[in-house]
Amino acid sequence: AQKVTQAQTEISVVEKEDVTLDCVYETRDTTYYLFWYKQPPSGELVFLIRRNSFDEQNEISGRYSWNFQKSTSSFNFTITASQVVDSAVYFCALSESTGANSKLTFGKGITLSVRP
Amino acid sequence: DAGVTQSPTHLIKTRGQQVTLRCSPKSGHDTVSWYQQALGQGPQFIFQYYEEEERQRGNFPDRFSGHQFPNYSSELNVNALLLGDSALYLCASSLARARGYTFGSGTRLTVV
Repeated sequence: AQKVTQAQTEISVVEKEDVTLDCVYETRDTTYYLFWYKQPPSGELVFLIRRNSFDEQNEISGRYSWNFQKSTSSFNFTITASQVVDSAVYFCALSESTGANSKLTFGKGITLSVRP
Repeated sequence: DAGVTQSPTHLIKTRGQQVTLRCSPKSGHDTVSWYQQALGQGPQFIFQYYEEEERQRGNFPDRFSGHQFPNYSSELNVNALLLGDSALYLCASSLARARGYTFGSGTRLTVV
């Protein structure tokens, strides 16, 4: 069975600080996909990043970067120079490879508050 | 280009009643998935529809049923509502053989 654990529940930072959101996953699949979504108060889940299990290259996209390590089953997400607009709930999610539209298994989410 | 549209945005029902939630997928998408998000929790997969058939189902009772129409829109029906069914119900659309999901803003269901 798939499982996603987000041990952090709430994080509060001051604007311009860097913040890292942790994610640990469990799956028996050798091929899978990992995602990060942002959920603002409006409720809509906004896609941030996606990574497949064969690509451990870590990248930076604007203020976002991620660290994917298969050896520790972790997929951490970092926001550099945080802004008040980054305040939201962040979800890590896992999708198996049985089909292109395989279901997403989500963690419980991390509430990020960025104070001015 | 409209994204995923869900209606209604809020709904209050009495325990034991039935409810129907609606979802219009993003233009060009042919697959619709439904998720239930209880307060303070992550979304949980209910089921997915493609070509008007249920393709995958999560661990939800038969009280939860759905339908997909020829125009790819979808409905989620919940019978015999329980207080525990109170949640945000999210619809996600995608294109078969792709791996991008677009979520709507959800329907907030309150069962009293």
